[in-house]
Amino acid sequence: EAQVTQNPRYLITVTGKKLTVTCSQNMNHEYMSWYRQDPGLGLRQIYYSMNVEVTDKGDVPEGYKVSRKEKRNFPLILESPSPNQTSLYFCASSPGAGVQNEQFFGPGTRLTVL
Amino acid sequence: GEDVEQSLFLSVREGDSSVINCTYTDSSSTYLYWYKQEPGAGLQLLTYIFSNMDMKQDQRLTVLLNKKDKHLSLRIADTQTGDSAIYFCAESPNQGGKLIFGQGTELSVKP
Repeated sequence: EAQVTQNPRYLITVTGKKLTVTCSQNMNHEYMSWYRQDPGLGLRQIYYSMNVEVTDKGDVPEGYKVSRKEKRNFPLILESPSPNQTSLYFCASSPGAGVQNEQFFGPGTRLTVL
Repeated sequence: GEDVEQSLFLSVREGDSSVINCTYTDSSSTYLYWYKQEPGAGLQLLTYIFSNMDMKQDQRLTVLLNKKDKHLSLRIADTQTGDSAIYFCAESPNQGGKLIFGQGTELSVKP
């Protein structure tokens, strides 16, 4: 089944403890992206990647890192999480960066930073 | 700058039509999208419209685009309880696949 998977789905952690949220897609998509969803703000893009070893900042990149060593994986790294990073995170992928390409979303990761 | 605005809540009775509205600011957006988010799930693309179209119909869904006013709407005919979800409007300002989302409209369908 074609899908985007994220792990973990739920995570409660403490300030300053490094964590990684994994994202994997099995559709051979070139474009991958991370968003955070906060009440009243919709989804905001954190980072995106047009292809392997090509990543760039979105609208809210502060406090996050990403890597794209393989086409299928696009992990999101929080080196020193803070409470303002408590949010619902979505990974998405699409065949390319063209505007008409549908983005496929993962199920989301709910992160709480105490 | 880029901005997409939606009202936050809409409540309708089962069988009625729902109309969800959205305004956007970037006139260069080539495509405009409607995504649906069911509780506890990710977003699913419902439909999209190319910017040179005024209307697109897909079964119970009708998308209207007023490019002059930068206004997009989604009409759901014969709304069902299974349509209860959050609906996001999004524009694509031609920046390498980036989507700009509205805040989402929570549709509640009462029996």
